[in-house]
Amino acid sequence: LAKTTQPISMDSYEGQEVNITCSHNNIATNDYITWYQQFPSQGPRFIIQGYKTKVTNEVASLFIPADRKSSTLSLPRVSLSDTAVYYCLVGPYNAGNMLTFGGGTRLMVKP
Amino acid sequence: DSGVTQTPKHLITATGQRVTLRCSPRSGDLSVYWYQQSLDQGLQFLIQYYNGEERAKGNILERFSAQQFPDLHSELNLSSLELGDSALYFCASSTNRGEQFFGPGTRLTVL
Repeated sequence: LAKTTQPISMDSYEGQEVNITCSHNNIATNDYITWYQQFPSQGPRFIIQGYKTKVTNEVASLFIPADRKSSTLSLPRVSLSDTAVYYCLVGPYNAGNMLTFGGGTRLMVKP
Repeated sequence: DSGVTQTPKHLITATGQRVTLRCSPRSGDLSVYWYQQSLDQGLQFLIQYYNGEERAKGNILERFSAQQFPDLHSELNLSSLELGDSALYFCASSTNRGEQFFGPGTRLTVL
């Protein structure tokens, strides 16, 4: 499985756009990129998944450059409730292969 | 609400004891995953079952075992418990799209 590297923590303020980058230099051709969000004492929650270029849903956007060696999760206009840990996972499409969560990025949104 | 249920929510026991954690996946999901999350640690994948059969194994101790029953619910058995086994245990189930849905977790405290 491709190893991922994310910043340990990030700080932001309410209303700002937050971009969290994940490095995955040895991503394989059939690997997808998936992001999860986890609040304290809760199970992770799926945010977004993509393979290349850009994916957008109601909560976030995912930018993937042509070489796919990194990806950026973009959270528009964050609020205090977006304070959480964000995990980047890389693996083949079927969920059974996306099992390594890593340490994640702890995002703190300040008022 | 992810649709994945876990019982019990909390469990307090003593060292050397054995406990069973239960998970019911979302309706229609054939895969069940178990994860362990110690205080301020990332999610450690333990084991995956698909339609009753073991599909993948992670860092699961020999004192731990799991199974998935014909009705697709799963149980994680933890025996000869040690203080270090105190953690949140999450169960997740997946669709074919690669997204995992996590339950609320069982908080195990070993005294």
